[in-house]
Amino acid sequence: GQQLNQSPQSMFIQEGEDVSMNCTSSSIFNTWLWYKQDPGEGPVLLIALYKAGELTSNGRLTAQFGITRKDSFLNISASIPSDVGIYFCAGPPNYGGSQGNLIFGKGTKLSVKP
Amino acid sequence: DGGITQSPKYLFRKEGQNVTLSCEQNLNHDAMYWYRQDPGQGLRLIYYSQIVNDFQKGDIAEGYSVSREKKESFPLTVTSAQKNPTAFYLCASSTIYEQFFGPGTRLTVL
Repeated sequence: GQQLNQSPQSMFIQEGEDVSMNCTSSSIFNTWLWYKQDPGEGPVLLIALYKAGELTSNGRLTAQFGITRKDSFLNISASIPSDVGIYFCAGPPNYGGSQGNLIFGKGTKLSVKP
Repeated sequence: DGGITQSPKYLFRKEGQNVTLSCEQNLNHDAMYWYRQDPGQGLRLIYYSQIVNDFQKGDIAEGYSVSREKKESFPLTVTSAQKNPTAFYLCASSTIYEQFFGPGTRLTVL
């Protein structure tokens, strides 16, 4: 079945640094969603992308829908301590699954550099 | 305030007991979902429901049961048949493309 691969699996940030992560698949997605999960909480939807090539911002976050429709990127500028958490990408399967169902990547964990 | 509520936040049960986790939404969404998350792991789909009185098994339905008698509510029962029930459980509801999550329930079986 379709899978989403997130990279990197984990990373350490220092306050003020820019952060980049990506999500790739061997098959095409028509929608890309990015979620953030704080420890002990449910994921929160950050950005939704619906069109190939689309670039969308939400504050210091910017996400792009790859032109091939097989990848998406999330950038965080000037990171702050509250950016730590797990970032998930997700998209609806294109093999005729039920409306609203999503495939999730395994997440990129952001931690603060010791 | 529209949203999804899950209760309780923390739940402790003895081994062999069934336990029901609550999920309520007032977003008027037709579809609702239950996921399980283990430490350091992603989200695994347990059950989902696209409409009242109908639900489908997800990837890891064994040892779980659900009901969908009302549009707003989708309770999950963790039965004694579930071999490793200690986990973080997340409920979600969705529009056509976007899922929205509740705050989760952490279940610990002693």
